[in-house]
Amino acid sequence: NAGVMQNPRHLVRRRGQEARLRCSPVKGHSHVYWYRQLPEEGLKFMVYLQKENIIDESGMPKERFSAEFPKEGPSILRIQQVVRGDSAAYFCASSQHLRVDQPQHFGDGTRLSIL
Amino acid sequence: DQQVKQNSPSLSVQEGRISILNCDYTNSMFDYFLWYKKYPAEGPTFLISISSIKDKNEDGRFTVFLNKSAKHLSLHIVPSQPGDSAVYFCAASGFNAGNMLTFGGGTRLMVKP
Repeated sequence: NAGVMQNPRHLVRRRGQEARLRCSPVKGHSHVYWYRQLPEEGLKFMVYLQKENIIDESGMPKERFSAEFPKEGPSILRIQQVVRGDSAAYFCASSQHLRVDQPQHFGDGTRLSIL
Repeated sequence: DQQVKQNSPSLSVQEGRISILNCDYTNSMFDYFLWYKKYPAEGPTFLISISSIKDKNEDGRFTVFLNKSAKHLSLHIVPSQPGDSAVYFCAASGFNAGNMLTFGGGTRLMVKP
């Protein structure tokens, strides 16, 4: 009965490097959402994906950030050329159906620190 | 332009008493509201939700009230227990507002033994 699995739990990168965050949704869930939480703030929506498709990326910065959810394997959030402001906790959530009354299940997040 | 606001960053309550956490929203397209509980270094855990067609939903010690005209909802925890100490996030969604969740900034609840 595995929930949403995110790895790594902690990731340290130097400015200019790339960060790759992985998310395996609950088994059977085909909808994946990424959120970012800056210190002392709430979670902010970044992107919503279904298998092989980006449905809504309205919350994602236009540059350096990309996301994918391939047919096989986990969803990946990729941040290129990281900057100090990218330091945050990144949470992935999944749901089985596209229905507002289906609560999203969250992983424990990846804490990204930029040196 | 925060669409969901939790104006109290923290709340301290004695064990056994009632905890009331408040949340306000501005977007009238929201029609579903959720409360999540979050412990440090963990992800948010779903607690309770309410549809905009209702004004109250109860689950054990947790009750959520929705006042649509005031665009306000609250979470009541009775009786409060030390294990309830966590950060509570109010979130809103709606089919016409995008299915993503819009979160408030959170309220840190401390229940003292």
